[in-house]
Amino acid sequence: SQQGEEDPQALSIQEGENATMNCSYKTSINNLQWYRQNSGRGLVHLILIRSNEREKHSGRLRVTLDTSKKSSSLLITASRAADTASYFCATDADNQGGKLIFGQGTELSVKP
Amino acid sequence: NAGVTQTPKFQVLKTGQSMTLQCAQDMNHNSMYWYRQDPGMGLRLIYYSASEGTTDKGEVPNGYNVSRLNKREFSLRLESAAPSQTSVYFCASSDVRDRGYNEQFFGPGTRLTVL
Repeated sequence: SQQGEEDPQALSIQEGENATMNCSYKTSINNLQWYRQNSGRGLVHLILIRSNEREKHSGRLRVTLDTSKKSSSLLITASRAADTASYFCATDADNQGGKLIFGQGTELSVKP
Repeated sequence: NAGVTQTPKFQVLKTGQSMTLQCAQDMNHNSMYWYRQDPGMGLRLIYYSASEGTTDKGEVPNGYNVSRLNKREFSLRLESAAPSQTSVYFCASSDVRDRGYNEQFFGPGTRLTVL
C-alpha cells in the first residue's frame, strides 16, 4: 500500500518561480527521501531528512519535515526549465522491512 | 562505474509469452529491487532481495518470479505475460552500509507492452 501521498499531482510554473511539493505519510518513519525522475529515466536520489530533523537544505532544495502532521515538503527555489521532472517522496520505516515506499509523485513543469 | 543496468530497454510481447528482464549492478550492493511504474500509481515494489540468496515478495508479486543469480544480478521473469503487466519496470539497488540509510540507485527502466 502506498504510504506517501503527494500533492499537487501536477504543477506548472514559470522559470524563476519557486515550486513547492508536499508529501503526507501514515506511520512513523526513520527518514524521508525525495527522488527526481526525468522523463524516460530512472529515479535519482535528491535529499534525505531524518525523523529528528525539521529542515534540510541542499543547493536550491529545501526540505521540511513535520512528524506531528506526518508531512514533508520539498521547495525548489528559483526554478529552471531543467528542473522539469517528476518528484517522488519515499519513506523508510522500521515496519517496512528495509524497503522504501514511494508516493505517487508530483509532475513539475517549468516553462522558460 | 555503470551503476545499475537493465536489459532490454523495450519489449513487446503477446499475451501468454514469457520473458526475463535482466538487471545488474556494479556497486557491490547487498539489496536489489524490482518495481513497476504505471501512470498515476507511483512505483510499486514487485520483489526484492535483501542479500544474495534471499528474495521476498513486495506489494504486487502475482505473475512474476525473480532470481538473485549472484550479488550483482537480479532477474525478473514473466512466465505468461498478460496485458495488465504492460508497464515500465525499474530495477534498483542499495546498501545501508554505504551511507547509513537506504538510498536506492535506479536503472534506466524497461518499457514492456503486452498485446
